[in-house]
Amino acid sequence: EVQLVQSGAEVKKPGESLTISCKASGYIFNNYWIGWVRQMPGRGLEWVGIINPSDSYLAYSPSFQGQVTISADKSISTAFLHWSGLRASDSGIYYCARQYSTSSEVDYWGQGTLVTVSS
Amino acid sequence: DIQMTQTPASLSASVGDRVTITCRASQVIGFYVAWYQERPGKVPKLLIHAASSLQSGVPSRFSGSQSGTVFTLTISSLQPEDSATYYCQNYGSARWAFGQGTKVEIK
Repeated sequence: EVQLVQSGAEVKKPGESLTISCKASGYIFNNYWIGWVRQMPGRGLEWVGIINPSDSYLAYSPSFQGQVTISADKSISTAFLHWSGLRASDSGIYYCARQYSTSSEVDYWGQGTLVTVSS
Repeated sequence: DIQMTQTPASLSASVGDRVTITCRASQVIGFYVAWYQERPGKVPKLLIHAASSLQSGVPSRFSGSQSGTVFTLTISSLQPEDSATYYCQNYGSARWAFGQGTKVEIK
């Protein structure tokens, strides 16, 4: 069974760093891209960025470029989303999702990680 | 980057009504468009991919179509369980873009 299991909810203060994770199982991790999507409270879905675990190719939305870092560790079939200095506006639910190729649909999503940044 | 302009932002319709939601892409994107249903507190559910391919297990009252850069999701006969927010998504070329969402309410 394909699963993307994300790390648990986080409460952080502005300026703190944070890494959330997305662990894949039930398929060959290297064969699928992993994308990240943000949903702010009461708002729509926003694309954050994407990684190809096989070659670490990265692409970011212009809105998130320089604000977050995406990475993946093939040895543990896990993708990561990292902030070096959180802001209140980073609060929201972050989803990871997989895509077989850049021309195929996004077929499985993680359950989401709630990030709350508040002083 | 590609922009997906989704309309309307919300709609209210009766059970049995035909409902149409539209997304317009800012440039030619082929058929790389998906439609999702999102219920409160739930993960988005894939309904349609490749503009018009129905995802396995999705009721046949949902359909998608394309005319150039305009993509349409149609619910042929609205049911109470269809109350949700719907999003279009472009997923080609290692870039994703979502529409703003359409909230569908049942009268």
